[in-house]
Formats: sequence, structure tokens, C-alpha cells
Amino acid sequence: EPEVTQTPSHQVTQMGQEVILRCVPISNHLYFYWYRQILGQKVEFLVSFYNNEISEKSEIFDDQFSVERPDGSNFTLKIRSTKLEDSAMYFCASSEARTASYNEQFFGPGTRLTVL
Amino acid sequence: AQSVTQPDIHITVSEGASLELRCNYSYGATPYLFWYVQSPGQGLQLLLKYFSGDTLVQGIKGFEAEFKRSQSSFNLRKPSVHWSDAAEYFCAVRYGGSQGNLIFGKGTKLSVKP
Repeated sequence: EPEVTQTPSHQVTQMGQEVILRCVPISNHLYFYWYRQILGQKVEFLVSFYNNEISEKSEIFDDQFSVERPDGSNFTLKIRSTKLEDSAMYFCASSEARTASYNEQFFGPGTRLTVL
Repeated sequence: AQSVTQPDIHITVSEGASLELRCNYSYGATPYLFWYVQSPGQGLQLLLKYFSGDTLVQGIKGFEAEFKRSQSSFNLRKPSVHWSDAAEYFCAVRYGGSQGNLIFGKGTKLSVKP
């Protein structure tokens, strides 16, 4: 069964460093998402991406964040200068289409980011 | 702002007992509703979803949920809980006309007693 994959599973970084989290969405999916879950809190939407551009972003997704689809398979989230409060589990998701019938989002296993 | 409320932070049930996890969503355009389960250290797995039609939906692992528009609720149920059901459960909603992002509740942690 096709699945969303994410690498690495755990990333430890120093405050102020840049990190890139990688995701491989399901191959025929067109919409891609990043969510994050700070420990003990709810899952929060960060950004959605379609046709090589951002469709929607939340207040959390400020200028420190960027997303990219550098090739036909990967979808990345970059944090330019990490802060302690960026420590969280980051989930990538993809869906086949936006329309209701198909908009089931499939989630990857997550990348746990720890900022020291 | 649109939101999802899961009023129970932690629920403990005995194995074999029935289960109901509550979820309420704020009023909005046509809601599309989802329940996800997250086992420790794992990602989010979709249990079931409601888009339209029959308001009682069946999901994986013996779970079901009922959409009640009048109560803005989408409660998750299981008639007989198994020890392997211990996990965290998240209710999520997407509203018709939105770009597609899901709004999650804070989750309900389920513990199962032997």
C-alpha cells in the first residue's frame, strides 16, 4: 500500500541552525501539507502546497519557514534559523485532490525536531 | 475561529467495555469530519471519515462514528475495546470551500485496563 515517508525520523539541531525536513508524498497525489505537533499539544496546520506554490499557510508559517518541491518526488520544509519553540513533531501529508470525495490526507510517520 | 473540541483529555476503560469519544466542531460550511489515531511514537492513521450521505460511518479496527449536524458532533464509538486500542485519538474537520487544511482537536488519550 502506498505511503508517505519522511526523513529523518529524528533531527537534533542547535538554535539558529537551518534544518530541512524531507517528505516523499504518495506518487499520484497533487496536494501536500505540513503540520506540526508540539509535545502534549494538538496537531496544527502549517502550510499546503499545490502546483508548485503555496495554497494556504497558517500564522505559524512565518518568514523562517519555506517549502519546496525540488524534484518530482520530494517535498521539503526548511526552517532557516531554528528557535527552541520549533521543537515539535512535524508531519507531512498528501492528498489526491481537494474535492471532497478524494480529500483524504495521508500522513507520514513524522520527524521529531529537537532544538537545543 | 473555527475549532474542534474534544472535551475528554484522558479516558480509561476496561478491556471489553464499550467506548465513546466525544468531538464537537464549530459551525461552518459543510464539514468533512475525520478521526485519526496515533499510537506512541507513530504517525497519524485515519480511522474513518464522513463526507456526506449516511451519518453513521464505519471505519477500520471496528470503530464507527455518527455525524449529528444538530449537535455539531461526530462522536467515535467502539462496542468492545481491545488492549491494542490504547492510543491517542484526534478528531479533525475540514470545511467545504477551504483549501483543504485540517483543523484538529487536542486529542483524547485512551488507556485500557486489563
